[in-house]
Amino acid sequence: SYDLTQPPSVFVSPGQPASITCSGDKLGNKYVSWYQQKPGQSPVLVIYQDVNRPSGIPERFSGSNSGNTATLTISETQAMDEADYYCQAWDYPTWVFGGGTKLTVL
Amino acid sequence: EVQLVESGGGFVQPGGSLRLSCAVSGFSFSSYAMSWVRQAPGKGLEWLSGVSDSGRSTYHIDSVKGRFTISRDNSKNTLYLQMNSLRDEDTAVYYCAKDQKYTWSDPGDAFDVWGQGTMVTVSS
Repeated sequence: SYDLTQPPSVFVSPGQPASITCSGDKLGNKYVSWYQQKPGQSPVLVIYQDVNRPSGIPERFSGSNSGNTATLTISETQAMDEADYYCQAWDYPTWVFGGGTKLTVL
Repeated sequence: EVQLVESGGGFVQPGGSLRLSCAVSGFSFSSYAMSWVRQAPGKGLEWLSGVSDSGRSTYHIDSVKGRFTISRDNSKNTLYLQMNSLRDEDTAVYYCAKDQKYTWSDPGDAFDVWGQGTMVTVSS
């Protein structure tokens, strides 16, 4: 089975950039999506096909994917961005999620 | 407004059955694949099953294959998950999710709308 590895936690100060990584074998050859999940809420798609933002997602969210690592970057992190973030990729014949990263803004 | 509303969760003993429903509105249901994703308490997301826009193509991960069945009724704008032979480890919040594509197996796909989730508790 294919594994996607994320750091369990990332800490960032308000206004500073935050980066969350997702690692997998030759992940750069796959499309990666990212989801944000706040406590008690459903996941929300924030990045798809590595770099694309759905409508309504702030421009401060961006993504990249190369080699074995995909990265979600929040340029100027706000308190409202505190949440769990999950990466996702397709590995035939199933969808795989990373274990999730808790982003803490402090 | 695009909405997915799950129902059918609850408390069930091991070996029991439940049928989850996901009522959809606000988009052309028959044009998109749909998926079920679950999240055990305090854990991450796990994709379970996908169904194509027509309903003719389905897939279930190994841990639920033979026990769970995904289906859809495009005339009723509703997605289903029939869950049989439930186990303790099936305890989770179950989400239905809309795929961006017509097939669940497109590597460029993503889940752009999610329901609010329905809790399934399996315990004796």
